[in-house]
Amino acid sequence: NAGVTQTPKFQVLKTGQSMTLQCAQDMNHNSMYWYRQDPGMGLRLIYYSASEGTTDKGEVPNGYNVSRLNKREFSLRLESAAPSQTSVYFCASSTTSGGNYRETQYFGPGTRLLVL
Amino acid sequence: SQQGEEDPQALSIQEGENATMNCSYKTSINNLQWYRQNSGRGLVHLILIRSNEREKHSGRLRVTLDTSKKSSSLLITASRAADTASYFCATDSLGGAQKLVFGQGTRLTINP
Repeated sequence: NAGVTQTPKFQVLKTGQSMTLQCAQDMNHNSMYWYRQDPGMGLRLIYYSASEGTTDKGEVPNGYNVSRLNKREFSLRLESAAPSQTSVYFCASSTTSGGNYRETQYFGPGTRLLVL
Repeated sequence: SQQGEEDPQALSIQEGENATMNCSYKTSINNLQWYRQNSGRGLVHLILIRSNEREKHSGRLRVTLDTSKKSSSLLITASRAADTASYFCATDSLGGAQKLVFGQGTRLTINP
C-alpha cells in the first residue's frame, strides 16, 4: 500500500500560470481533502470530497478548483497562481464511520509550491 | 476559523522529561484527534478520543478529554529526541460538515 501519494513534490510558478496538483489514495477511502499549510500555522481546508461525485468548499477555497476524478483521485487546480498561494499543500483521505463520524485522516507527503 | 487552539505554541524540554500539550475548542464534538508532523513531512495520526471517553492511552501517549471544559491534553511520557515535532489537535464537530478542523499546533523540541 502506497497510502496517499501526491505529485509533484515541489513546483515553482510565475504569477498567472496554472497548474494541477494530483493526489491518489489506495485505501478505498470515501473522503478526500485538500489543505494548505503556511509557516507557523495549522492546516486550513481548501476543498473536500465526502464521497465520489461530490465536492464542497472548505475554509479557503478562493483561487482553487477541484475534481474528484474517481474514488482514488482528487486533484486541485490553480487557474491563475498568485504569490499568496505560496504554501505547502497536503492531500488527505479518510473513511467515514456508519455513525457519520469523521475518522482518522491519512496524509500525503505534501507539495511545496512557490509562486513568484 | 480555528476550532482547536493548542497551548503552548512552543515547548522545549530535556530528553526523558514528560511533555504536556493542551487543546481547547469551541463547539460540541463527536471526537478529537491528535496528529504529529515532523519537519517537512505530512501529518501522522496519533490517537482519537470520542466524546464519551475521558482518557485514552497509546504507548507513551496519554490523551484526556474534558467535554465540560471543551479541552483536551496530550501527555508524552519519557520523551525522546525523536518526539521532536509539531503536534496538532483536530476536532470533528457535532452536526458539522464532513471535515475535521485543525488547530495551529504546538512545536515540541526535545533536547538531548
